[in-house]
Amino acid sequence: AQSVTQPDIHITVSEGASLELRCNYSYGATPYLFWYVQSPGQGLQLLLKYFSGDTLVQGIKGFEAEFKRSQSSFNLRKPSVHWSDAAEYFCAVVRNFGNEKLTFGTGTRLTIIP
Amino acid sequence: ETGVTQTPRHLVMGMTNKKSLKCEQHLGHNAMYWYKQSAKKPLELMFVYNFKEQTENNSVPSRFSPECPNSSHLFLHLHTLQPEDSALYLCASSPSLGGSETQYFGPGTRLLVL
Repeated sequence: AQSVTQPDIHITVSEGASLELRCNYSYGATPYLFWYVQSPGQGLQLLLKYFSGDTLVQGIKGFEAEFKRSQSSFNLRKPSVHWSDAAEYFCAVVRNFGNEKLTFGTGTRLTIIP
Repeated sequence: ETGVTQTPRHLVMGMTNKKSLKCEQHLGHNAMYWYKQSAKKPLELMFVYNFKEQTENNSVPSRFSPECPNSSHLFLHLHTLQPEDSALYLCASSPSLGGSETQYFGPGTRLLVL
């Protein structure tokens, strides 16, 4: 079965600093990969997704993610965080055939300090 | 309204009560989902509907009863719940089933079972 690991439960970053959130997946082939963000009191919003092609994916709000097949990773990055980026971030994977369902990681809570 | 809406946003109920959660999507999507989000656990997929037909029940206890009268509306009927059912219940929709489809989430209903 596919699985997703987000090893960091909570990360604190200073405003203006760079950010990297880790995501590792377990699946025999390359799955579809997603990053979602959940702001307090809100549902999940898609930041970006990877299906194939260029391994560096650009998303909304200045985020990007890089797929590394050799490391089974899909880490999310942002060069300079803003206070409004404080939220919970979820990595999700799904097998790339049929009507497979998303498998989510446990999330990483991001705190921004002034 | 646009996107996916959920009502009520907060709900407190006793174990003998009967209540319903409502989800409505204004995106013209054909697939709808119920998820349970508990603290420190990955999102748990509960039910999936496609063109009003249930396509997945992820071993959910019968005290949760979904209903999908049309592609725009999804309900979750609750009865004789347990305290461990307290969680955030998220509704989502997507254009169709399929791993590559982006799911659009509502803000959720925060449920507390006393």
